[in-house]
Amino acid sequence: AQTVTQSQPEMSVQEAETVTLSCTYDTSESDYYLFWYKQPPSRQMILVIRQEAYKQQNATENRFSVNFQKAAKSFSLKISDSQLGDAAMYFCAYRSDDGNKLVFGAGTILRVKS
Amino acid sequence: GAVVSQHPSWVICKSGTSVKIECRSLDFQATTMFWYRQFPKQSLMLMATSNEGSKATYEQGVEKDKFLINHASLTLSTLTVTSAHPEDSSFYICSAERGQLGTEAFFGQGTRLTVV
Repeated sequence: AQTVTQSQPEMSVQEAETVTLSCTYDTSESDYYLFWYKQPPSRQMILVIRQEAYKQQNATENRFSVNFQKAAKSFSLKISDSQLGDAAMYFCAYRSDDGNKLVFGAGTILRVKS
Repeated sequence: GAVVSQHPSWVICKSGTSVKIECRSLDFQATTMFWYRQFPKQSLMLMATSNEGSKATYEQGVEKDKFLINHASLTLSTLTVTSAHPEDSSFYICSAERGQLGTEAFFGQGTRLTVV
């Protein structure tokens, strides 16, 4: 079974600085999808960024980018120019190519200091 | 993006009663919906996968007679917590998908259930 590990329970970043959240996963599959979701205090889950495993190019969405290392099974999220609104719990998630279940990591609480 | 509406946002019920939570996809047809449970500062725990017109698939350890799931249409799935007890108090979240593999899941805003 696939597993997703987020080794940082909590992280802090100064406003306008850059922070990287780590995520590793375990799978024997070659085709799959990876996601980062944000859960702010409202608890509404919001998709931050998505990566297809067959794509070598790292996904980017404005201030958010990933470092996808397929061989190392690593999928870190970099947040540049951090803003107060980025404070949330961030979940890394995995989905296999032939499945429809999302496997979530334990989450990382991100605090942004002004 | 697609919108998933979950209702109610919060509910308080007495121990022994049943409570129903609705999950609706407002602007797309959801072939599959998922129900999660989340404890404070913890991850989402998948309870069951709901496919329109068929029986839900429950995860190991989830009591199907306790948590009744119905997916009667392509836009509505319901979770009924039967004979609720205080230990059922939690945050319940649904998600819906259009059916294309690998696409993102769209989440409802969640329901906070408190059983007193």
